[in-house]
Amino acid sequence: QKEVEQNSGPLSVPEGAIASLNCTYSDRVSQSFFWYRQYSGKSPELIMSIYSNGDKEDGRFTAQLNKASQYVSLLIRDSQPSDSATYLCAPGLVAAGNKLTFGGGTRVLVKP
Amino acid sequence: DAMVIQNPRYQVTQFGKPVTLSCSQTLNHNVMYWYQQKSSQAPKLLFHYYDKDFNNEADTPDNFQSRRPNTSFCFLDIRSPGLGDAAMYLCATSSPLAGESFAYNEQFFGPGTRLTVL
Repeated sequence: QKEVEQNSGPLSVPEGAIASLNCTYSDRVSQSFFWYRQYSGKSPELIMSIYSNGDKEDGRFTAQLNKASQYVSLLIRDSQPSDSATYLCAPGLVAAGNKLTFGGGTRVLVKP
Repeated sequence: DAMVIQNPRYQVTQFGKPVTLSCSQTLNHNVMYWYQQKSSQAPKLLFHYYDKDFNNEADTPDNFQSRRPNTSFCFLDIRSPGLGDAAMYLCATSSPLAGESFAYNEQFFGPGTRLTVL
């Protein structure tokens, strides 16, 4: 089992719809979780961090964390073409010394 | 604006010719990281500095070295680049909070250096 698993996509969503991205991780005791957005040829940009079970909302983004299920998700509401990018899930895995371990990313395509 | 700066943005080198990539930051963060990212892959941590303490990942090849002469600057040296070292090299910083066990982790990335090896 990979330490961090994401569906590689592409996830194709129409403009204005909700994009739902999922991530599972292997380390049961991890406490910190991050979502990064990466445009093609650019560096990752932090868009969300979450530390507690439940939902955290920031603008059109909502992160959802379920530590018991070792699952973290990202919802993008009212998707825009500018949201087309790869989204990287990055838990701070305790087993890795609390350093970020990146998933392979989910590519999102928002079609006008 | 506080930021992480990488130079050069694009670097072309020849097989076996040493190359140095530079990272500087105005965030005053005490942790600096170097990642390697190949096409369609996740960023892979090479090493990091916590203040002056160097931490190498177990699977980082000896061909990769790093220096951090002061808080603001960190360098990545590739002693003998091979074709397989062609990648985007990403510098990131973070600022751990005292007493927080996971505080290594909110990291901010520079724009990256794209390395081509001929």
